[in-house]
Amino acid sequence: DAGVTQSPTHLIKTRGQQVTLRCSPISGHKSVSWYQQVLGQGPQFIFQYYEKEERGRGNFPDRFSARQFPNYSSELNVNALLLGDSALYLCASSLGGGTTDTQYFGPGTRLTVL
Amino acid sequence: SQQGEEDPQALSIQEGENATMNCSYKTSINNLQWYRQNSGRGLVHLILIRSNEREKHSGRLRVTLDTSKKSSSLLITASRAADTASYFCATDHTGRRALTFGSGTRLQVQP
Repeated sequence: DAGVTQSPTHLIKTRGQQVTLRCSPISGHKSVSWYQQVLGQGPQFIFQYYEKEERGRGNFPDRFSARQFPNYSSELNVNALLLGDSALYLCASSLGGGTTDTQYFGPGTRLTVL
Repeated sequence: SQQGEEDPQALSIQEGENATMNCSYKTSINNLQWYRQNSGRGLVHLILIRSNEREKHSGRLRVTLDTSKKSSSLLITASRAADTASYFCATDHTGRRALTFGSGTRLQVQP
């Protein structure tokens, strides 16, 4: 079975631009979470979606938004990119919406903002 | 901050030795999880220990949890070069819907 997939693998943008990252969860998983991992640090929670509804939001500005589609795939959008948005963006899927459900992470999208 | 903190930040050992990593946190938790990450790639879930558990084993992994000290440790026995990775603890705090990750321990196992 395929694991969590993310696209693109790498992305280079300039300040002020907008970016969309995509995530496909494991088949049957209804929850998708997004994390930002800056180099040398642990992942930081951005959003969780469960059954197409936002279930949680981390301490990120409104420039960050996300949505989940009927097939449970998800997109993360970041507007007005800043240099500090350069990071590895990780998507994780789980069967249910609780944090005791094992989260399966994708390989991530590495975003570089110049 | 509720973020867990791992100790040490970096650890270098020889193959066959045991590796111990520690994690501390600040507020009460429902459970604590350990993850491994190879070279900036996706994280792999290793083990989950609930707040009412004190010790858990999975293969060569042993996790302990001391809720009175708000700390956990991960022991990898008989380490292998393939264990080289960064290890993160993640805490599930009461009232929050997300995992809070620490800054990680970078483990290097020399062959």
